Amino acid sequence: DQQVKQNSPSLSVQEGRISILNCDYTNSMFDYFLWYKKYPAEGPTFLISISSIKDKNEDGRFTVFLNKSAKHLSLHIVPSQPGDSAVYFCAASSGTYKYIFGTGTRLKVLA
Amino acid sequence: GAGVSQSPRYKVAKRGQDVALRCDPISGHVSLFWYQQALGQGPEFLTYFQNEAQLDKSGLPSDRFFAERPEGSVSTLKIQRTQQEDSAVYLCASSLGPGQGMETQYFGPGTRLLVL
Repeated sequence: DQQVKQNSPSLSVQEGRISILNCDYTNSMFDYFLWYKKYPAEGPTFLISISSIKDKNEDGRFTVFLNKSAKHLSLHIVPSQPGDSAVYFCAASSGTYKYIFGTGTRLKVLA
Repeated sequence: GAGVSQSPRYKVAKRGQDVALRCDPISGHVSLFWYQQALGQGPEFLTYFQNEAQLDKSGLPSDRFFAERPEGSVSTLKIQRTQQEDSAVYLCASSLGPGQGMETQYFGPGTRLLVL
């Protein structure tokens, strides 16, 4: 049973437009959420996180939104750049060290 | 500063062979994690160390998998009698440790293991 789901395996967006990556979770005990970006042949790189006491966190072009009632979070990238092309993983934890990852969404930003 | 490093980056093993994968965490990081990432999947937790103590090994798939961190720094993941289903990318991550707020884990580049 997958506790963290990324239902879109891939997404293509035009350069300069907004990229929206979605993530759903089932465990209501999750209280910390993260997004990682992964380039081929590299490890995941931390991008942004959000605690369950917030519903939004922003860092430059990246904003994460959390909707606890819907058990849904999303990552917005504005404006999208070709260098953002990568696989994006969301992860969740329940106040412990153990992260549960989704299966990833491959983002392709078209120049 | 230096990030998490792992070696080797690639390993090809014959079925039944033993392998050892090394992880050098970020200096000063107390917590260390191993994950297994199969093709097309997200990383899956294997085990967790706090300094030299292995506090959680619930994700290790079988008793052929063994991890150690004897001096609380470098860690080794050992897989005995490798099987084809062990083929995956093995990721190591480290974090500052408990009591430092929510622990953001920083990942190494991974070791891609192929068992033939």
